[in-house]
Amino acid sequence: QKEVEQNSGPLSVPEGAIASLNCTYSDRVSQSFFWYRQYSGKSPELIMSIYSNGDKEDGRFTAQLNKASQYVSLLIRDSQPSDSATYLCAVLGEGGGNKLTFGTGTQLKVEL
Amino acid sequence: EPEVTQTPSHQVTQMGQEVILRCVPISNHLYFYWYRQILGQKVEFLVSFYNNEISEKSEIFDDQFSVERPDGSNFTLKIRSTKLEDSAMYFCASSEFGQSLGIQYFGAGTRLSVL
Repeated sequence: QKEVEQNSGPLSVPEGAIASLNCTYSDRVSQSFFWYRQYSGKSPELIMSIYSNGDKEDGRFTAQLNKASQYVSLLIRDSQPSDSATYLCAVLGEGGGNKLTFGTGTQLKVEL
Repeated sequence: EPEVTQTPSHQVTQMGQEVILRCVPISNHLYFYWYRQILGQKVEFLVSFYNNEISEKSEIFDDQFSVERPDGSNFTLKIRSTKLEDSAMYFCASSEFGQSLGIQYFGAGTRLSVL
């Protein structure tokens, strides 16, 4: 069973701080990783994709990937109250069916 | 901005009844998916579909489930005889490409309530 693990939180950070969200995965052959944001009662919305070891930056978001440690993270700089949501880590299966395996998500609360 | 459209937004049905959930993927996308999320739980893959065939399905996607692309725009999920445990949010997604190039975009979902 291929697993994606996340701390469910909640992770509380003050407005303007850096939020750090972490994810580990079990399938060593995985190559493609995604962060989705999900507001309560809404659908997942893509934030970032990352395929290579290292960092990838997009605005206030930075995704980090370490395939040797099977670890993916998402940093949110200058956190805003509107960033309060559940962040889902997803790993693409290599079986040809494009199956995304999701973690349980980390709930982020940005406090004023 | 193109989006995946799902109807209805909420479906209430009696146990044992058949339901059809409908999706209109983004127009130039070729890969289609159904996921579900039971309240408070993780998003789970059900099935992927490409070139009028199922590409992959999960253990959840048993004989009670079927998918169809009845025309050039719609993609449907049918549950033949609903059970209480089928109550969940069902998300349709689509991608333009497969594998790592295939960013999957999700619709707003259909909340299925089985009574």
